[in-house]
Amino acid sequence: GQQVMQIPQYQHVQEGEDFTTYCNSSTTLSNIQWYKQRPGGHPVFLIQLVKSGEVKKQKRLTFQFGEAKKNSSLHITATQTTDVGTYFCAGMKAAGNKLTFGGGTRVLVKP
Amino acid sequence: SAVISQKPSRDICQRGTSLTIQCQVDSQVTMMFWYRQQPGQSLTLIATANQGSEATYESGFVIDKFPISRPNLTFSTLTVSNMSPEDSSIYLCSVQGGRSYEQYFGPGTRLTVT
Repeated sequence: GQQVMQIPQYQHVQEGEDFTTYCNSSTTLSNIQWYKQRPGGHPVFLIQLVKSGEVKKQKRLTFQFGEAKKNSSLHITATQTTDVGTYFCAGMKAAGNKLTFGGGTRVLVKP
Repeated sequence: SAVISQKPSRDICQRGTSLTIQCQVDSQVTMMFWYRQQPGQSLTLIATANQGSEATYESGFVIDKFPISRPNLTFSTLTVSNMSPEDSSIYLCSVQGGRSYEQYFGPGTRLTVT
């Protein structure tokens, strides 16, 4: 079955620094989505990428979809304490189908 | 976006009993999903529930253990049957966005089985 892998599993970041989390699918995707889950909360949708090579920005967050539509990345610049949480990527194999979630990257920010 | 509520928010249950979790959405949606999330882990899809049809279960999940109802376009229930401590987890329902395929999650039900 489809597998979605994320690295790193944990990311300890000094406040103000940048970091990147990576997502890789075993199969070509129709789209990839990113979610953020704060400690004790539920996953919240951040963004969806559909096109090959697509890049989208949300303030300090930059999301990229690979040319082969099998991998994605999330880059956060100037990390803040509000960025604490677990970031999940989720791949959709066919449009309108189910999502397969990656293992998540748990981000801890050192002030 | 959709606003989703779940009941109960948490429960402590005895081994061998069953618990029904309710999921209510503030708008009509076609696709609803039920997930399980162990503490500190990722989300595992249990089943997809479409109104008017039988739920579609993922590998490792069966209807006898996790029966699902979807009586209308705004409501669904998931029952965790004959519970064991291994069923202790957070159970989340979600709905798919209308035009695009993003999902909106309920706050979750934290289940502890003793």
